[in-house]
Amino acid sequence: EVQLVESGGGLVKPGGSLRLSCAASGFTFSNAWMSWVRQAPGKGLEWIGRIKRKTDGGTADYAAPVKGRFTISRDDSTNTLYLQVNSLKTEDTAVYYCTTYNYATGGFEYWGQGTLVTVSS
Amino acid sequence: QSALTQPASVSGSPGQSITISCTGTSSDVGSYNLVSWYQQHPGKAPKLIIYEVSKRPSGVSSRFSGSKSGNTASLTISGLQAEDEADFYCCSYAGNSLVFGGGTKLTVL
Repeated sequence: EVQLVESGGGLVKPGGSLRLSCAASGFTFSNAWMSWVRQAPGKGLEWIGRIKRKTDGGTADYAAPVKGRFTISRDDSTNTLYLQVNSLKTEDTAVYYCTTYNYATGGFEYWGQGTLVTVSS
Repeated sequence: QSALTQPASVSGSPGQSITISCTGTSSDVGSYNLVSWYQQHPGKAPKLIIYEVSKRPSGVSSRFSGSKSGNTASLTISGLQAEDEADFYCCSYAGNSLVFGGGTKLTVL
């Protein structure tokens, strides 16, 4: 059974930083492209970025609103996906979901339960 | 990249069919057959119900179907059931990025 478990969310002041983690199990993590999607309270889904598997270069792409502030990385030895979020703004308040991304079909196949990040002074 | 356009809400009675539209541009929906749809119940994570415009993952009801014409993709739900009441989101590949629609709230009357 595929499981994605996010952690690391919490309350942070504007301008602060956090590192979110996503522990993956039930599939071959090193073969997977992974992605982060967020959802502000009462709002819709927003794609943040994705990271390719190492055999496809291991590079990451980001949405414009977070480029330069957010960094996606992965540790295939521990089956963990990371999202480093810096220079946080109040508008970054959201539930952050870790997902698998099927690059062939364009679909986010599996989702974690999400971790809430609240940016407030 | 601007969000794809979806109606804010749709409604239907049990047994009826409804269609949710998702309008993008020639840079996303119009250029790629990589449109997916997600169903999200309150307090839950989204669930993939359609990928590659019209394909259903294993275990997803055949009452859900997808299509595309030009820059607009559509999700049709036939034989509406009470448990279909949820938020629905479309998503399209846009060349090294992805873009979601604003979401549509489906109410089953």
